Amino acid sequence: AQKVTQAQTEISVVEKEDVTLDCVYETRDTTYYLFWYKQPPSGELVFLIRRNSFDEQNEISGRYSWNFQKSTSSFNFTITASQVVDSAVYFCALRGSGNTGKLIFGQGTTLQVKP
Amino acid sequence: EPEVTQTPSHQVTQMGQEVILRCVPISNHLYFYWYRQILGQKVEFLVSFYNNEISEKSEIFDDQFSVERPDGSNFTLKIRSTKLEDSAMYFCASSESSGRGLQETQYFGPGTRLLVL
Repeated sequence: AQKVTQAQTEISVVEKEDVTLDCVYETRDTTYYLFWYKQPPSGELVFLIRRNSFDEQNEISGRYSWNFQKSTSSFNFTITASQVVDSAVYFCALRGSGNTGKLIFGQGTTLQVKP
Repeated sequence: EPEVTQTPSHQVTQMGQEVILRCVPISNHLYFYWYRQILGQKVEFLVSFYNNEISEKSEIFDDQFSVERPDGSNFTLKIRSTKLEDSAMYFCASSESSGRGLQETQYFGPGTRLLVL
């Protein structure tokens, strides 16, 4: 069975602090894809990043960075110098190698960045 | 930038009524999905659709649910006889492919918030 666990339900930080959101996944597929989506208070789901299982390079995009480690089945997301606009629910998701495209989401982590 | 659109943004209905949620996927995308999110919970997969047929459906997607692509642009989710527990945000998503190609990403619409009274 495939599963995504985001153990942190809520995180609260003060602006300019760095924060890491954890994501641990389970899958028996050798080929799979991992995603992070952001859900701001307005409710939409905004795509942030996709990573496939063959590519373990970490990625940095501005203040965002992602650390993918197959050995620990983790795909963690770090926001550097957090801002109030980063306040949102963040979802990690897994897609297996099947052709239907189904995404399995974690429970989400609510990030609150206080001024 | 192309985006997925959904209508209506909000829908209130009485239990037992039929509702149709509409989506316009990104124009060159071939794979379409519906997900739902009960308030405060995670996003759950309902159904995937390709080449005018369902590719996969979840346990949630029972006989009261159906999907259709009535024309070249719209993708609809119908709930035949709504129940209180159908109250949720329903998201439509589309992707260019779902195989091992590069364009794996699903892009989501803004959602339709359904409230069943």
